[in-house]
Parts: sequence; structure tokens; C-alpha cells
Amino acid sequence: NAGVTQTPKFRVLKTGQSMTLLCAQDMNHEYMYWYRQDPGMGLRLIHYSVGEGTTAKGEVPDGYNVSRLKKQNFLLGLESAAPSQTSVYFCASSYSKGGYGYTFGSGTRLTVV
Amino acid sequence: AQKVTQAQTEISVVEKEDVTLDCVYETRDTTYYLFWYKQPPSGELVFLIRRNSFDEQNEISGRYSWNFQKSTSSFNFTITASQVVDSAVYFCALSEALIKAAGNKLTFGGGTRVLVKP
Repeated sequence: NAGVTQTPKFRVLKTGQSMTLLCAQDMNHEYMYWYRQDPGMGLRLIHYSVGEGTTAKGEVPDGYNVSRLKKQNFLLGLESAAPSQTSVYFCASSYSKGGYGYTFGSGTRLTVV
Repeated sequence: AQKVTQAQTEISVVEKEDVTLDCVYETRDTTYYLFWYKQPPSGELVFLIRRNSFDEQNEISGRYSWNFQKSTSSFNFTITASQVVDSAVYFCALSEALIKAAGNKLTFGGGTRVLVKP
């Protein structure tokens, strides 16, 4: 089925470890996003991309890096995980035309101990 | 900067009661889009409605209805005759979509948890 696929779905990390979350979309969307969800705070934007090879910071970018080497993939990296990065991470993609086509992945639950 | 406020953090109702979720937004743009999403206990985000800033007509879809008022910057959501399956977290979101470099970022409110008791 067409959509946004996130891997992995669950992960437990030790403080200081690194990992990469993968987001893949097959809808030819130009824009892609990484959000984190924390209780009572809704979803907050970490980084986003308006096209292949471009990335930009969102509301809460510290401690994360991203790359978009291919249009269909958007990677989120944690170089040195901290307990404050325990969260549920959602990837999304959309058309460049405003307001259309937002599609979310099913989320990755990350726990940093 | 855009902002979305959902003042109600949790609402508890008995089945068949109506429930209204408030959403107030801030934006400096004249063109923008408003959304409501449902997040059931399973965790995925389910799209409910999208409304652009030029369309102030209220909308009804089954037991769901939405009241968009630009004058008060509000986009409220009502569930009529609530059911247990309506128990979820509901998010209001705003997108400004004029400048490509800014992307079509969605700004979310903090969410309202709705608990419908049988």
C-alpha cells in the first residue's frame, strides 16, 4: 500500500548510543518532516525537507541530524542519545501545494535509558 | 510565528453525550490551512478534516461537525452522540503554505484527550 513507512517501530537505546530512524514514502511527495510527540505537547517539528538534498531546522532540532539523499527517503539521526529524547517519532510527507497530501507514518517509539 | 492552542487537555463524557473540542490559532498569514487529526489508542494519526482560510462554511460529516470562525481565530470540533470508539486524543493543526523554503509545516496544538464512558 502507498504511504509512509518508518523503521524501526520500537527501539531502546542506552545513553550515548547512536541510531538512525528511516522514513520512506512512495507518493512522490516533495516535502518530508520529522516530528516528535511528547505527552501534553502535541507534535513538534524537529527537521524538515523541501526537496532532495535540502534540509532545514524545525522547532526542536538540537541533538538530531537529518539527511535526504533520495527524494523518497528522509533519515533522522541521533548521534549521542539522551533520556530527554525518549519520545514517539513521526515522519510525514506532503505535496508542495499548500495544505495537501499530508501522510504520516505509524511512528517509532524510542526509549533512552 | 504560528501557534495552535487546545486549552482542554482532557474531556470525559458518557456515551451519547455531545462533546466540543476547542481550537484557537494564531497566524500572520492570510492564506493558511487548518486540520483536525484523531489519534486512537493504537497510536496512528487519522486525518479528519482540512479547511482553508477562505472557506468559513461549517461542515458536518456524520456525527462530526466543525465550526470555523476567522473573527475569533477558532476552529472547533463537535462530536454528536459520542460513542466509546470516539475515545482518542484529538489534535488541531495549522499550516501556512506560501513560501517554499518554509515548507508546508504543520503546527500542532497540545491535543485533547477524549474519554467516552459506556
